Amino acid sequence: GQQLNQSPQSMFIQEGEDVSMNCTSSSIFNTWLWYKQDPGEGPVLLIALYKAGELTSNGRLTAQFGITRKDSFLNISASIPSDVGIYFCAGLVRGAQFYFGTGTSLTVIP
Amino acid sequence: SQTIHQWPATLVQPVGSPLSLECTVEGTSNPNLYWYRQAAGRGLQLLFYSVGIGQISSEVPQNLSASRPQDRQFILSSKKLLLSDSGFYLCAWGRTYNSPLHFGNGTRLTVT
Repeated sequence: GQQLNQSPQSMFIQEGEDVSMNCTSSSIFNTWLWYKQDPGEGPVLLIALYKAGELTSNGRLTAQFGITRKDSFLNISASIPSDVGIYFCAGLVRGAQFYFGTGTSLTVIP
Repeated sequence: SQTIHQWPATLVQPVGSPLSLECTVEGTSNPNLYWYRQAAGRGLQLLFYSVGIGQISSEVPQNLSASRPQDRQFILSSKKLLLSDSGFYLCAWGRTYNSPLHFGNGTRLTVT
């Protein structure tokens, strides 16, 4: 199957700091999604991206669909304790299924 | 608005016992439905998906099966559980094949 490399695997940051994470693939994707998962719960959709170069925000979160269509980025500004969780990217190849990255675990230190 | 319900939230079953996990979606019709398994290492593995009643596609050969007896109902089953079936099972729905997936809250299955 398709391989999505998500980095970093984990992050420990101070409250108030900005966060950046990314997802890369050797394949071209038509859609990129970003999810957040809290412990013991299902992933919740944060942002959906449909066009190369697209930049979309959701509150303090901003995600971009890479120009090459092989990558995507998620930024969180001014982190707060409730940002703690695992962030997943997911990419869709047209006519196929969504492939998920292995997640970035975010810890925010108050 | 659409909601997805998944139950039970947790389940402890002995090896060799049967399994039935249920998922229902409200507020939409003819959704695409999915079963994923999430291992402790975080990765989400697609097990089954369905584009309509009675239509099931299997992604991974395993000890599990899925059924879609009604438009908005998706069931994950096993006749005899294995230890390796332990994990976090997630049901999801999407409007079409390229629509974002929306997940339920999952079932934590422990096979003992």
